[in-house]
Amino acid sequence: QVQLVESGGAVVQSGGSLRLSCAASGITFSNYGLHWVRQAPGKGLEWVAVASFDATEIYYADSVKGRFTISRDSSKNTLYLQMNSLRPDDTAVYYCAKDFNVQSRTSCPQFDYRGQGTLVTVSS
Amino acid sequence: DIQMTQSPSTLSASVGDRVTITCRASQSVGNWLAWYQQKPGKAPKILIYKASNLETGVPSRFSGSGSGTEFTLTISSLQPDDFATYYCHQYNSYWTFGQGTKVEIK
Repeated sequence: QVQLVESGGAVVQSGGSLRLSCAASGITFSNYGLHWVRQAPGKGLEWVAVASFDATEIYYADSVKGRFTISRDSSKNTLYLQMNSLRPDDTAVYYCAKDFNVQSRTSCPQFDYRGQGTLVTVSS
Repeated sequence: DIQMTQSPSTLSASVGDRVTITCRASQSVGNWLAWYQQKPGKAPKILIYKASNLETGVPSRFSGSGSGTEFTLTISSLQPDDFATYYCHQYNSYWTFGQGTKVEIK
């Protein structure tokens, strides 16, 4: 059974840094691209970043480009999001998700719908 | 960047109603379009992928159609468990979500 467990959320001051983690189980980690998606309080979903299944392709939303870094560690079956220069509008619940398709370059995210994400609050 | 616009933003309906949500893309996304359902405090759940393919385990009252720039999600007979927020999502060029449609009880 697929399980994606996010952690690392905290309250941080504007300009600060934080690293989120997502531990994956129940999947062959190296077969799936992995995404971060966020949701500000009371707002809709915003795609943040993706690392392809083989880590050769990494993409970011314009809103986080140059500030956030996505990475993955196959030895630990863990996805990371290093967040620097945090701003109040980065305040959100951050979800990780795997690609719906195996070893795909074109896939939508599939969430662990039992997951609750991890809350990042950036104070001004 | 591709923008996704859903309508309506809120929909009031009763159990048993047929419900249709529309999603328009600012440029063609082919059929690289997914639909998600989200309930409060929970991660989104995928319902439809590649515009019209029903995810395993999703009730057949849900269906998706469209291609290019215009897509619809239809719930043929609304059930109590279906009151939630629905998002369209394009994955043709980068990844973008619509702003969401909240389906509430009339």
